[in-house]
Amino acid sequence: AIQMTQSPSSLSASVGDRVTITCRASQDIGNDLGWYQLKPGKAPNLLIYAASYLESGVPSRFSGSRSGTDFTLTISSLQPEDFATYYCLQDYKYPLAFGGGTKVEIK
Amino acid sequence: EVQLLESGGGLVQPGGSLRLSCVTSGFTFHKYSMTWVRLAPGKGLEWVSSLSGSGGSSQYADSVKGRFTISRDNSKNTLYLQINSLRVEDTAVYYCVKFGAVGFLDPQPFDFWGQGTLVTVSP
Repeated sequence: AIQMTQSPSSLSASVGDRVTITCRASQDIGNDLGWYQLKPGKAPNLLIYAASYLESGVPSRFSGSRSGTDFTLTISSLQPEDFATYYCLQDYKYPLAFGGGTKVEIK
Repeated sequence: EVQLLESGGGLVQPGGSLRLSCVTSGFTFHKYSMTWVRLAPGKGLEWVSSLSGSGGSSQYADSVKGRFTISRDNSKNTLYLQINSLRVEDTAVYYCVKFGAVGFLDPQPFDFWGQGTLVTVSP
């Protein structure tokens, strides 16, 4: 099974900061990776699909990139509503696998 | 507007059973594969199971294989998850999730999630 290693597990940042979260796949998954945002009590939200495509309605401060089996989610300028937990998900093959999550907290 | 509404969660003893339901609206249900994902307390998201639009093909995580059964009733636009032989480690919020594109059971991004239903397994 494919393993997704996500880092960091948590980070503290201020409004306006640039934030970067990384996921590494244990094998080649092409571009089949998505990024999801999870807030307490709310339905999770798809941000990025196919490694770098912005889901409709998602602010342009979110972006995704790929280098080999390393994937990155970048928030260019952190906003108050962005404090949440973020997960990557490989949708290349079954069993599907999430990264361990990154909790973004207010500094 | 796509809506996914889960129900059926609750408190159950180890070894017990529950059936979760997810009533959907706002899209052509039978055309889309559907998925269950769970979030255990203090843990990360875990993919549980996926089911094709016809209901004829399914996939399960090893952690639930043989205990959980995913199914659907396309006439009622409803997805189900029968969970048997419950363990304490099955305690989690269970989310009903829609695949982002029409197709067979090929893995795809999840474009809509429900709010989840809480299953608590405790003696």
